[in-house]
Amino acid sequence: SYVLTQPPSVSVAPGQTARITCGGNNIGGKSVHWYQQKPGQAPVLLVYDDRDRPSGIPERFSGSNSGNTATLSISRVEAGDEADYSCQVWDSSSDHAVFGGGTQLTVF
Amino acid sequence: QVQLVESGGGVVQPGRSLRLSCAGSGFTFSSYGIHWVRQAPGKGLEWMAVISYDGSKKYYADSVKGRFTISRDNSKNTLYLQMNSLRAEDTAVYYCAKESRGIVVYFDQWGQGTLVTVSS
Repeated sequence: SYVLTQPPSVSVAPGQTARITCGGNNIGGKSVHWYQQKPGQAPVLLVYDDRDRPSGIPERFSGSNSGNTATLSISRVEAGDEADYSCQVWDSSSDHAVFGGGTQLTVF
Repeated sequence: QVQLVESGGGVVQPGRSLRLSCAGSGFTFSSYGIHWVRQAPGKGLEWMAVISYDGSKKYYADSVKGRFTISRDNSKNTLYLQMNSLRAEDTAVYYCAKESRGIVVYFDQWGQGTLVTVSS
């Protein structure tokens, strides 16, 4: 089955850019989606189809995908961006959704 | 607005059964595939199952295949998850999630989740 690998944690100072990676075999050939989840809340769609944002999501959140790594970038990080971020793809060979293990973003 | 509301969670003994429900509103429920995704305490998201818009197609994660059954009643705008032979490792918050429209599958709306605790 397809596996997505994320770093468990990323730390960044306020105002800087955070980059959260999602690794998978030839993930560049798949569409990658990102979710933000704050403590005690349901996930929220942040980026879909590698780089598109749903309405209401700030432009500070952007995505890219190439080769074996997809990346979620958060520019001008704010304290309110502290959350868990998870990547997701659809594995069409098994008709399963696959999530990465999640990355906890800390703003120090 | 689009809304999904789960119910039916609770504490259940190992080996017993439980049925979760997910009520949809604010969109044409019968036009979308709906998924179940769970999250064990302190862990990441784990996809469980999907049912197509008309109920004709169902797919399951290996961890629950043969024990869990996904179904829907479009006349009631409701999704179900029948969970049998529950194990301690099934303890999690269970979310229903609406599938995006189109070929690419992602989840554009989630419920608030319902907690299932499997314990003696």
